[in-house]
Amino acid sequence: DSGVTQTPKHLITATGQRVTLRCSPRSGDLSVYWYQQSLDQGLQFLIQYYNGEERAKGNILERFSAQQFPDLHSELNLSSLELGDSALYFCASSDSGANVLTFGAGSRLTVL
Amino acid sequence: TQLLEQSPQFLSIQEGENLTVYCNSSSVFSSLQWYRQEPGEGPVLLVTVVTGGEVKKLKRLTFQFGDARKDSSLHITAAQPGDTGLYLCAGPPNFGNEKLTFGTGTRLTIIP
Repeated sequence: DSGVTQTPKHLITATGQRVTLRCSPRSGDLSVYWYQQSLDQGLQFLIQYYNGEERAKGNILERFSAQQFPDLHSELNLSSLELGDSALYFCASSDSGANVLTFGAGSRLTVL
Repeated sequence: TQLLEQSPQFLSIQEGENLTVYCNSSSVFSSLQWYRQEPGEGPVLLVTVVTGGEVKKLKRLTFQFGDARKDSSLHITAAQPGDTGLYLCAGPPNFGNEKLTFGTGTRLTIIP
């Protein structure tokens, strides 16, 4: 157990739908990162939050959004889902100023 | 364009053999990290190298950071089935940038 909790572990939905992925960071970590991992694209950085504020943005689609709440948990919202959104979505957390990430086990999203 | 290119993409060898995988970039990194990811799990940090030319050993794994801080290698001696997994290098592409960029990965299979 890495200390980073992601739910759900698996999710199957249809095109056009909306889903929310949830992440609880490791105790004491203020930064949360979201990554997308697909077979042909590797691990792609989506977005980072630090203590509730957006810190860095990567290749995140406009259909996707995220937020970090006062209790530091984070949610990644994916809307108007397309087949190509099928992937593993990882959340990671870190201490402030550290580039060392602790990853959760991921949420596997399948869009049919 | 991938900032970090890893080679080979796939590697399958017999138990007991030695192997080296590479992580290359045209950019300078302040540090590089190596992660191992097993099926159904998130990446787990193995090591961080910071100084150009640095060599770090973790049991049978030897990590080296290039003198110019643009490349790194991972050498495994006497590979074991437990070494099987996806090996990812990662680094912050700009000094002070907290966003980790991941390499394309090397999928290693050790055959008993």
